[in-house]
Amino acid sequence: NFMLTQPHSVSESPGKTVTISCTRSSGSIASNYVQWYQQRPGSAPTTVIYEDNQRPSGVPDRFSGSIDSSSNSASLTISGLKTEDEADYYCQSYDSSNRRVFGGGTKLTVL
Amino acid sequence: EVQLVESGGGLVQPGGSLRLSCAASGFTFSSYWMSWVRQAPGKGLEWVANIKQDGSEKYYVDSVKGRFTISRDNAKNSLYLQMNSLRAEDTAVYYCARDLGDYGDYQDYWGQGTLVTVSS
Repeated sequence: NFMLTQPHSVSESPGKTVTISCTRSSGSIASNYVQWYQQRPGSAPTTVIYEDNQRPSGVPDRFSGSIDSSSNSASLTISGLKTEDEADYYCQSYDSSNRRVFGGGTKLTVL
Repeated sequence: EVQLVESGGGLVQPGGSLRLSCAASGFTFSSYWMSWVRQAPGKGLEWVANIKQDGSEKYYVDSVKGRFTISRDNAKNSLYLQMNSLRAEDTAVYYCARDLGDYGDYQDYWGQGTLVTVSS
């Protein structure tokens, strides 16, 4: 079984750019799509990135996703930070054995 | 507009049973894999189970195999989760989610969740 490891928390100031990493423990990060979900306090998750770098309609282009095979990791980058971006962010991926795994989540604080 | 509305949560004793439901609208329910994902209080997300469009394939996380059963009724646009032999560690908010990918590999829309509390 593989795991997805995220930093527990990150913080940055409004207007700045922040990047959240998601490292896959085994198997290639490029073999299966990575998704990113935003969860504000007391709310259900919503999708901000799917299929590595695709944004659902309605998600601002301040949100972008990428993968790096050299570090076997995915990243979510949020530019022009706003206070409304403060939330927990989860990465997700899967494997050919029908295992679907979430990262432990990263708490983003916009100071 | 895609809408997923869960119901059926509540307080149940250890060893008891509960059946969750999810009413779907705003999309062609029978065309999508569907999942249940849970979140224990103060914890992260955990995928629980999913089911193919016609119900012919079902997958479960190891911790619920043999205790939980996922099912669907496409005529009623509804998804279900039958939970038996419940344990304290099953306490969580359970989300219904629409899946994408060849085997329902990831989620795009989520419901608001229903809370299941397993306690004596």
